[in-house]
Amino acid sequence: TQLLEQSPQFLSIQEGENLTVYCNSSSVFSSLQWYRQEPGEGPVLLVTVVTGGEVKKLKRLTFQFGDARKDSSLHITAAQPGDTGLYLCAGVRNTDKLIFGTGTRLQVFP
Amino acid sequence: EPEVTQTPSHQVTQMGQEVILRCVPISNHLYFYWYRQILGQKVEFLVSFYNNEISEKSEIFDDQFSVERPDGSNFTLKIRSTKLEDSAMYFCASSGTGSMSDTGELFFGEGSRLTVL
Repeated sequence: TQLLEQSPQFLSIQEGENLTVYCNSSSVFSSLQWYRQEPGEGPVLLVTVVTGGEVKKLKRLTFQFGDARKDSSLHITAAQPGDTGLYLCAGVRNTDKLIFGTGTRLQVFP
Repeated sequence: EPEVTQTPSHQVTQMGQEVILRCVPISNHLYFYWYRQILGQKVEFLVSFYNNEISEKSEIFDDQFSVERPDGSNFTLKIRSTKLEDSAMYFCASSGTGSMSDTGELFFGEGSRLTVL
């Protein structure tokens, strides 16, 4: 089973704090995507990382793909209430099937 | 901006009844997917569809499930005889224009919530 484990599962923080979400697997992925899902809506793509060691920045969000392409992290700087949501990593292997991680539910309090 | 649309947004059905969930993918996309998310749990892959046939399916997608693209626009998921454990949010997604600039991004619909009583 191609499991993508995310940690932490839940995270409650105050506005302005920094946080890191981890996505780990024992499998190698050809690419890894991060999605954010808000209640009652479908997941929305934030970023795709393809190369081992790649780092991508999206405003206050920094995404990194592990050198071995088995893991990834999402770092949010100075979190805001608007960052609240479910963050999902999702990996692609050799097929067109996207495997989702277990999810990290983030709550940012004002 | 083009989007994936799903209907119904919520369906309540009795156990054993047939349910059809409908999706209109983005018009120039080539790959279509169904995922489901049981309340509070992870998003699970069900099936992918390309070139008018299933390209991959998960162990969840048993004989009770089927997909169809009856015309050029709709992509449907049918559950023949619903069970209580089929209660979930079902997401349709589409991707892939076949062009070199394709990012591989999946575009998800807002989901159809199925409640089986």
